[in-house]
Amino acid sequence: KAGVTQTPRYLIKTRGQQVTLSCSPISGHRSVSWYQQTPGQGLQFLFEYFSETQRNKGNFPGRFSGRQFSNSRSEMNVSTLELGDSALYLCASSLLGTAMNTEAFFGQGTRLTVV
Amino acid sequence: AQSVTQLGSHVSVSEGALVLLRCNYSSSVPPYLFWYVQYPNQGLQLLLKYTTGATLVKGINGFEAEFKKSETSFHLTKPSAHMSDAAEYFCAVRIPRNTDKLIFGTGTRLQVFP
Repeated sequence: KAGVTQTPRYLIKTRGQQVTLSCSPISGHRSVSWYQQTPGQGLQFLFEYFSETQRNKGNFPGRFSGRQFSNSRSEMNVSTLELGDSALYLCASSLLGTAMNTEAFFGQGTRLTVV
Repeated sequence: AQSVTQLGSHVSVSEGALVLLRCNYSSSVPPYLFWYVQYPNQGLQLLLKYTTGATLVKGINGFEAEFKKSETSFHLTKPSAHMSDAAEYFCAVRIPRNTDKLIFGTGTRLQVFP
């Protein structure tokens, strides 16, 4: 079956703009998590959605937001972009409901460059 | 606070040598543990996971890891390194009865020399 699909793969934006990234999870997966990966900070957890509800949130400013649709697809939005937002944004899906031993499956990521 | 620590941001080995990547966790309850690999410009791929049962876990590409509760460790090993093993490796933990989020270590970049 198809894996986690993230679009677009690459994006270049200007400071002050906003951006929306998309993630389609594996069919049947209801949990979607987002991570920001940078050389200096590593993998930082942004937020997790399950059945259209945000279940967990990391320590990011309010400029970072997300949502999940009824078909489990998720989007994340970053407003008022800053140079420091340049990163690889990774989406992961899992079957999580009450089964915490299930692994997360990752997409290839969206490389965002802010200039 | 629950966390995971990977010792050594860079590890270099010769082809054919033993690979040992270290991971220690901090948790008040037995956690679920995972190792992921990331190749350049790619997402993360699961190598193996420990949930319950046998403490020695075998994964893909010849990797294995042993859960040692007394040492709070989950080190990743491979008897003989291959050039294709060069990548970044992440240890991750999920704590039962806590948030569901995966907490990642800072990663270890493995270089393999011919």
